[in-house]
Amino acid sequence: KQEVTQIPAALSVPEGENLVLNCSFTDSAIYNLQWFRQDPGKGLTSLLLIQSSQREQTSGRLNASLDKSSGRSTLYIAASQPGDSATYLCAVCPRDYKLSFGAGTTVTVRA
Amino acid sequence: DTGVSQDPRHKITKRGQNVTFRCDPISEHNRLYWYRQTLGQGPEFLTYFQNEAQLEKSRLLSDRFSAERPKGSFSTLEIQRTEQGDSAMYLCASSFGGLAGGGELFFGEGSRLTVL
Repeated sequence: KQEVTQIPAALSVPEGENLVLNCSFTDSAIYNLQWFRQDPGKGLTSLLLIQSSQREQTSGRLNASLDKSSGRSTLYIAASQPGDSATYLCAVCPRDYKLSFGAGTTVTVRA
Repeated sequence: DTGVSQDPRHKITKRGQNVTFRCDPISEHNRLYWYRQTLGQGPEFLTYFQNEAQLEKSRLLSDRFSAERPKGSFSTLEIQRTEQGDSAMYLCASSFGGLAGGGELFFGEGSRLTVL
């Protein structure tokens, strides 16, 4: 059974600091890995998707890396802003119809 | 708004009652998914439809749960004889095609269920 772990569970940083969020997964047989953002009481918004053949993806201040062989991904958020405060979820795609999620890292960016 | 919409957003019910949630996906999306999320956890896959066919169900979906997608458009998720353990956020998502090739998954805002 695929297990997805995110460490740390919570993170608080001052505005302007870079954020590093970690995700690990136990089974490397995945099609892709995605990072999502979730605001309190809301649904999920896709941030970045990395196909299994790729090493990284970038979108604006966000950069995600994938090391499939070691079962790890890292999401970097540069120059954090208070608006980045949210829960960030990592999900792997082990089947064409299913994502397996971690429990998320809750980020607070202090102004 | 052309996103995924869910109704109701919040539902409070007493143990033993039946509840039904509705999801309207993005109109051109042929796949529709249901997930359940409890506090402090990531979403867990429940079931999915391709058009009107329900193709996969998680073991989390006990026989008290039933999902339908008549005519391949909106979907309903019904929970019969609710239990306190059913309290969770029920998330609906849709996609055009499968996820393996990088098909993007669009989530609704969720339906929060509280069972007293």
